[in-house]
This record gives sequence, C-alpha cells and structure tokens, in this order.
Amino acid sequence: DAGVIQSPRHEVTEMGQEVTLRCKPISGHDYLFWYRQTMMRGLELLIYFNNNVPIDDSGMPEDRFSAKMPNASFSTLKIQPSEPRDSAVYFCASSQGLRGANVLTFGAGSRLTVL
Amino acid sequence: QKEVEQDPGPLSVPEGAIVSLNCTYSNSAFQYFMWYRQYSRKGPELLMYTYSSGNKEDGRFTAQVDKSSKYISLFIRDSQPSDSATYLCAPPDFGNEKLTFGTGTRLTIIP
Repeated sequence: DAGVIQSPRHEVTEMGQEVTLRCKPISGHDYLFWYRQTMMRGLELLIYFNNNVPIDDSGMPEDRFSAKMPNASFSTLKIQPSEPRDSAVYFCASSQGLRGANVLTFGAGSRLTVL
Repeated sequence: QKEVEQDPGPLSVPEGAIVSLNCTYSNSAFQYFMWYRQYSRKGPELLMYTYSSGNKEDGRFTAQVDKSSKYISLFIRDSQPSDSATYLCAPPDFGNEKLTFGTGTRLTIIP
C-alpha cells in the first residue's frame, strides 16, 4: 500500500485566495482525520470522519474552513478565503478505528504558506 | 488547561546518552498511551503504545506510565543520531477514536 497520500506537498498563495488540500486514505481504513501543525500550537485535530460521515468538526477554527469526504478514497480540506494565520502544515491521517488502540497513519503533509 | 502537556524542548544530548521524554495529562479517563515519532518534514508515525501502568520495553525504547500522577515517560537507551526527531505523546480517548497530541518534544542527538 502506498500509504496516505496528500497533495499538494507545498502551496504558496496570497491572502484571500481559495486553498484546497487533498487526501487519499489507506484502502480499508474507516476513519479519516485532518490535523494542522504549527510551532506554537502543535498538532491540532480539525475534523474527523467515520465511513465518510463527519463525526467531530469542533476543531475547525472558522467558517472559512470546510472539509468533505465524498467517498471512501478521497477527502478535501478547503480554506476560503485564506489568511496568513492559516500558514501551517496540514496532515491527513487514516485508521481502522480499533477502539483503544486506534493507530493513525499519517500522510507526509501539505505545507501551506499564505502571504 | 490542555489535556496533554509536553516540554517542547529543544533537547540536545550526546550520542549514547539515555534520554528521558515526559508528558503529563489531565483526563483520568485516559487508559491507553501512545508515543509517536516525527522526523523533520514527515508525518508522525507510531513508535509504541501501552495500555497499563508500569513499563513496556521495545528494543532501546521504554514507555513508562504512572496513572496516579498522570505522568508518562519515554526512555531511549544508547541514543543514536537517527533518534533525532520530535516525540509526541497521545493518550487515546476511549470514548471516541480521536487522538489528542501533546505539543511534542524536539530531540537532537549529537554525534
């Protein structure tokens, strides 16, 4: 298996532009997570899905952020409009959701810079 | 108060030294504890996990849990330059499947 695949790996954009990050989870994994990592705040959970259904989006910072999972093999995280404070590394992770031993497999991340 | 707290470091030690990385948590409901390792410009990956108090050994790595004081430790023996990474602790919430990570401790092993 190729693991969790994220694209793009790097994105530089200007404030106000729309940003779309993409993720392909590991086949057979029922859970998909979006995390954001910054030096100041560490790794923060934004939203997670179970069987393509959003379960907890309490970590989504603002209405500018939205996430979708139209099918089991694809998810997007969209920021519209983007702001400089959104600059971070965004990770997608997937898991089989084994209760109490939920091992997440992370993608390589998408590094976003908003100028 | 954050659910999981770690000293962010950075921590630099010479090769061969014993490293101690620590994590405290506030939610007494946490039953399982995981350590993830993250190399520079990579995603985190599971290093080891334990689901009880006491020690668990895996090669040069030992995870220790003290539930009475809500304190988790990771020890690295005979540290190597390849151990240079950020180490994150993550106690899974038994009520759901999401993981809350500590901020991580950045470790550098100096050859």
